[in-house]
Amino acid sequence: SQQGEEDPQALSIQEGENATMNCSYKTSINNLQWYRQNSGRGLVHLILIRSNEREKHSGRLRVTLDTSKKSSSLLITASRAADTASYFCATDKGGSEKLVFGKGTKLTVNP
Amino acid sequence: GAVVSQHPSRVICKSGTSVKIECRSLDFQATTMFWYRQFPKQSLMLMATSNEGSKATYEQGVEKDKFLINHASLTLSTLTVTSAHPEDSSFYICSAIRLAGGTTDTQYFGPGTRLTVL
Repeated sequence: SQQGEEDPQALSIQEGENATMNCSYKTSINNLQWYRQNSGRGLVHLILIRSNEREKHSGRLRVTLDTSKKSSSLLITASRAADTASYFCATDKGGSEKLVFGKGTKLTVNP
Repeated sequence: GAVVSQHPSRVICKSGTSVKIECRSLDFQATTMFWYRQFPKQSLMLMATSNEGSKATYEQGVEKDKFLINHASLTLSTLTVTSAHPEDSSFYICSAIRLAGGTTDTQYFGPGTRLTVL
């Protein structure tokens, strides 16, 4: 079974609105990471949250982690057109350095 | 910073030929690099883990004789797609973990290589 499944699969909002993406996973983790990928490009690391953390902020990003529900959310506040990209969560595989990626959420921010 | 480069960024080749993709960590040393494959509109799938000075470990279903990995130094790993076929056309992305004191949980990704096999 696949870890790190995001929802929604696609999200379209207006500039200035907030965007929330969710990620669920199935097994125990040491940490969870969020990445952004612009079309046809590599991944940009956004934020890492450890299993003993519940919330983390970085600029306009807010990530929460609920290990009891095996879920995480990524909130982008005051979205901009430049935030248009696909967002992936990734969990460590069995505590190893390997990452398992979810299917991603394609975010479109309309100007 | 932690910059990872890939070369080439884009390659088109004929069926049956071999293609080599390089992954370099530009400003840090990396004992471990990973190779992923991403088909259009899909997520990244881990292909193999590349360790400096030792053989790569491949994920289930990935043919090691087809996807040759060499990690010759702490800053370079190469992936060679041998006897490429159209179904090998994909976006190949590498990542590297920084060799440093403390935690090394963050993987830094290269910009990817778009392979098209005709």
